[in-house]
Amino acid sequence: AQTVTQSQPEMSVQEAETVTLSCTYDTSENNYYLFWYKQPPSRQMILVIRQEAYKQQNATENRFSVNFQKAAKSFSLKISDSQLGDTAMYFCAFLPITGTASKLTFGTGTRLQVTL
Amino acid sequence: NAGVTQTPKFRVLKTGQSMTLLCAQDMNHEYMYWYRQDPGMGLRLIHYSVGEGTTAKGEVPDGYNVSRLKKQNFLLGLESAAPSQTSVYFCASRVESYTQYFGPGTRLTVL
Repeated sequence: AQTVTQSQPEMSVQEAETVTLSCTYDTSENNYYLFWYKQPPSRQMILVIRQEAYKQQNATENRFSVNFQKAAKSFSLKISDSQLGDTAMYFCAFLPITGTASKLTFGTGTRLQVTL
Repeated sequence: NAGVTQTPKFRVLKTGQSMTLLCAQDMNHEYMYWYRQDPGMGLRLIHYSVGEGTTAKGEVPDGYNVSRLKKQNFLLGLESAAPSQTSVYFCASRVESYTQYFGPGTRLTVL
């Protein structure tokens, strides 16, 4: 079974600063995807970024980037130039590539507060 | 293109009552999922479906039933609601590339 650990329940960052959210996972699988989802107060789950385990290059999406360390089973999210709209819960998720039975496993989330 | 929609958005039940949550997607996705979200526990998979007419159990299936009679709809049923089922319920569907897209959620309170 897979486990996903987010060790930072809450974090705070000032507007325009950079913040890094941590995520580690435990698996015996070799092929998988990793995701970061954002959940603002509206409750909607929004995909932030995705990383394929077979790709060595770290994924980036505008101000969001990841540091994927496969050997260490670490998948952190860096948010640059933080904005008030980034205030949300952030969930890390793991998905093994096992055909139709593939299921997402989520971490418990990190609550990020962006302040003025 | 509405994406993934859920009905209703809020619901209050008394213990022992039954109800059905409806999830609909207009993206022609084969795979659909039901999750529950509880404080401090992230999202946990209840049931899922890999295509029309198929369903399978997830991590926390007890007390729930599902049906996928049409490809675009995935129904989650509670036959006899219990206070432990108070939660926020999310439906999701996914593309072949494995990314899941979520509905807006349903907040259910069981008194």
